[in-house]
Amino acid sequence: DGGITQSPKYLFRKEGQNVTLSCEQNLNHDAMYWYRQDPGQGLRLIYYSQIVNDFQKGDIAEGYSVSREKKESFPLTVTSAQKNPTAFYLCASSGRQGAGTGELFFGEGSRLTVL
Amino acid sequence: AQSVTQPDIHITVSEGASLELRCNYSYGATPYLFWYVQSPGQGLQLLLKYFSGDTLVQGIKGFEAEFKRSQSSFNLRKPSVHWSDAAEYFCAVGTSSGTYKYIFGTGTRLKVLA
Repeated sequence: DGGITQSPKYLFRKEGQNVTLSCEQNLNHDAMYWYRQDPGQGLRLIYYSQIVNDFQKGDIAEGYSVSREKKESFPLTVTSAQKNPTAFYLCASSGRQGAGTGELFFGEGSRLTVL
Repeated sequence: AQSVTQPDIHITVSEGASLELRCNYSYGATPYLFWYVQSPGQGLQLLLKYFSGDTLVQGIKGFEAEFKRSQSSFNLRKPSVHWSDAAEYFCAVGTSSGTYKYIFGTGTRLKVLA
């Protein structure tokens, strides 16, 4: 089945540690996104990538980094510089149908808790 | 500035009752509009979308939404709610500015009473 796979589903981290969240898609989509979800705040865009080897900052990129070395993969690293990393992280992708016109396909999410 | 407003944070309805979730947007160009549903601890699933044409769009699970340009609204409706509809619902606007960005509302959490 085509879709987006995020791992791990749950992750615990000590303060000062970097962690990497995995996102893999087999939908052959060009664009991939990372969102952060906090209660009552909806989804906020962290980073997005339209093509391989290219990505742009979203609205809340500070303390995060990404790479896009393969079309299928868009990992997110939460660095120690992120002041409040405890959140639910969602990866999404869309086909190249024009900016913001194609629907987003979401993974099941990764919940990061900083101890 | 582009924005999406979902004025109702929580809504409670009885099973079998009708439902309307409100969504208002602010966007200068032709909007691409979406409704997504999210169960607790899960990702988002697309319910329906509007790009152009008929302003009343049908989606999955018996949902429909109506685009009203004059009111900048895209309200979601269902004639008869089922207990399994309890979830959080998000309205979103897709921008056509070439930046591949989507703007989400803050969500409406639906509770269904048996």
